Amino acid sequence: GQNIDQPTEMTATEGAIVQINCTYQTSGFNGLFWYQQHAGEAPTFLSYNVLDGLEEKGRFSSFLSRSKGYSYLLLKELQMKDSASYLCAVWDSNYQLIWGAGTKLIIKP
Amino acid sequence: GAVVSQHPSRVICKSGTSVKIECRSLDFQATTMFWYRQFPKQSLMLMATSNEGSKATYEQGVEKDKFLINHASLTLSTLTVTSAHPEDSSFYICSARIPGLAGGPTTDTQYFGPGTRLTVL
Repeated sequence: GQNIDQPTEMTATEGAIVQINCTYQTSGFNGLFWYQQHAGEAPTFLSYNVLDGLEEKGRFSSFLSRSKGYSYLLLKELQMKDSASYLCAVWDSNYQLIWGAGTKLIIKP
Repeated sequence: GAVVSQHPSRVICKSGTSVKIECRSLDFQATTMFWYRQFPKQSLMLMATSNEGSKATYEQGVEKDKFLINHASLTLSTLTVTSAHPEDSSFYICSARIPGLAGGPTTDTQYFGPGTRLTVL
C-alpha cells in the first residue's frame, strides 16, 4: 500500500533550528509537497520538490532523496508564528495526492 | 492507509456539463468536511465548509450556485460543478475533520483526500 510517515509532534525553542522528516512509499512519484497549516486555516504551500537535493527559500528549506523515499523540511531561526502543523504530501504516478498525517510543531520561548 | 477517499480520481468532460465529485470518510464520521481547489504547485484555496445536515458555508468569491455542495451523511459530501467551463479545470481536494476530544490536548485533525483532477474541454 501507499504510505507516508512523519512524526506526530515536535517541540523546539524560539530561534533554534528544527528538521521535520517525511518518508514515503508510493506507487510512482511525481513530486513532494510541504504545506503549513495553522489551526482553523487552509494549508499554505511551502515547497515542491521533484528532483533530488536541497531547495532553500528564506528560513525554510526542503530536501528530497528519491532513492531513499525521504524528505525533510528544515526551519531556521524559529519564530513563535511557526507553531503549526506541517503536512507532507506526495503525487503518485497518477497524480493522486498521498498525505502524511501532519507534524504538529510547538515552539517554546 | 487512506482515511478519506474521493471519486472519481480524474474526470474529463465537455464544457457546459455538470460533474459530481464524492468525498467519503472511511472508518470515521465527519461532521465537517472541507472542499479545496489546488492551482498548479500552489496553495490549497478553501472553497467551502460542508457541515452534515446543513447548508455549506462558502468562501468569498466562490459561486455557490456553480459549486453545489451536499453533505447528506456523516461519511459523504459531494461537490457538483455545474455548467463546467475550461477555467474550472483544476485539482479538487476534500478533507474531513475529526473533532478534538473534549478536554483533550489535541486540536481538530483534518485528513485530506487524494484529490480529483477535473479537465473541462
